[in-house]
Amino acid sequence: RKEVEQDPGPFNVPEGATVAFNCTYSNSASQSFFWYRQDCRKEPKLLMSVYSSGNEDGRFTAQLNRASQYISLLIRDSKLSDSATYLCVVTSNDYKLSFGAGTTVTVRA
Amino acid sequence: DGGITQSPKYLFRKEGQNVTLSCEQNLNHDAMYWYRQDPGQGLRLIYYSQIVNDFQKGDIAEGYSVSREKKESFPLTVTSAQKNPTAFYLCASSGQGRNYGYTFGSGTRLTVV
Repeated sequence: RKEVEQDPGPFNVPEGATVAFNCTYSNSASQSFFWYRQDCRKEPKLLMSVYSSGNEDGRFTAQLNRASQYISLLIRDSKLSDSATYLCVVTSNDYKLSFGAGTTVTVRA
Repeated sequence: DGGITQSPKYLFRKEGQNVTLSCEQNLNHDAMYWYRQDPGQGLRLIYYSQIVNDFQKGDIAEGYSVSREKKESFPLTVTSAQKNPTAFYLCASSGQGRNYGYTFGSGTRLTVV
């Protein structure tokens, strides 16, 4: 079983729509969680950290469910510029990050 | 501005040749990492270093070598023993504490010709 698993998508949504997707992780000892955004042929960039209480950054909301070992990302009022691949990232106890393969989101006009 | 710089952006390697990818950071980060990304796959860890003069193998270290002689620099050599080196290589660094995410360089695309 992979350490971090994501639905690859693609999620094709119209502008203004809400899109949400999850990521599951296998290591119950995982300590920190992140969502990264990666544009085509570019490096990943940190979108947001995910905290136990859930957190929001503008149109983006991240949730963590430790009991079921998944994190989620919700994007409200989607913009064309939100089109990207979203990587779920989890740390283990030894400071290494494990990356999911990514969920592709395409926002259409 | 602080950041992490990878060079070259594109690199072509002949069969049987060793090549070295450069990674330099001026963020004063202790930890540095090398990842490989293949199409449709997640990033896979090649090597990482948490302190100068020390580094550890990641999940796919075979056919690669690294050095960490300076805090700022973590070059990766792709040796001829790496049978399928064509990929997107990403260098990253992080500050202290596991709550830090990584800062990535812009990557090097290596192609075998």
